[in-house]
Amino acid sequence: RKEVEQDPGPFNVPEGATVAFNCTYSNSASQSFFWYRQDCRKEPKLLMSVYSSGNEDGRFTAQLNRASQYISLLIRDSKLSDSATYLCVVNRRTGGYNKLIFGAGTRLAVHP
Amino acid sequence: EAGVAQSPRYKIIEKRQSVAFWCNPISGHATLYWYQQILGQGPKLLIQFQNNGVVDDSQLPKDRFSAERLKGVDSTLKIQPAKLEDSAVYLCASSLDPSGGIDEQFFGPGTRLTVL
Repeated sequence: RKEVEQDPGPFNVPEGATVAFNCTYSNSASQSFFWYRQDCRKEPKLLMSVYSSGNEDGRFTAQLNRASQYISLLIRDSKLSDSATYLCVVNRRTGGYNKLIFGAGTRLAVHP
Repeated sequence: EAGVAQSPRYKIIEKRQSVAFWCNPISGHATLYWYQQILGQGPKLLIQFQNNGVVDDSQLPKDRFSAERLKGVDSTLKIQPAKLEDSAVYLCASSLDPSGGIDEQFFGPGTRLTVL
């Protein structure tokens, strides 16, 4: 079983739609969680951190359920520019250092 | 502020040849990472440097891959000899926190390697 699992998609949605991505992680000791965005043939960039209380950044809302080891990302009012791959990321602490484990990503395609 | 620089951007080699990639992290960033991203997968950490010391190389295929970070700044990743399955994008990233904490990682544009 992979340490971070995501639905690969693709999710094809019209502009203005609301779309949700889910992610599960297997290491219960993970303490930090993130969503990174990766455009086609580009490098990943941090979209947002995910906090236990849930957090929102404009049209983006991230939720964390530690008991279920589940992370979600909700995008409201989708824009064409939201088309990208969304990577779920968790940390694993080893030997006093933190290492990020990336999921395979969920691909989103927003169409007119 | 300048981002993470990588070169070359593209490289095509034949199997059993050698190749080297170069990375210049953001100035002042203590931690440097090399990732391998195979098509359709997320980035996989190959090696992590804290200043010029290695803190994690557990997923580096040491029989063929090597990396160094001299003087705690630039880094090179070498593959010798390359195999077909090494075809991937090699991403370099850096982060500020010198204490091994959680910090945003900034990625370079990557080197796309094709092994024929």
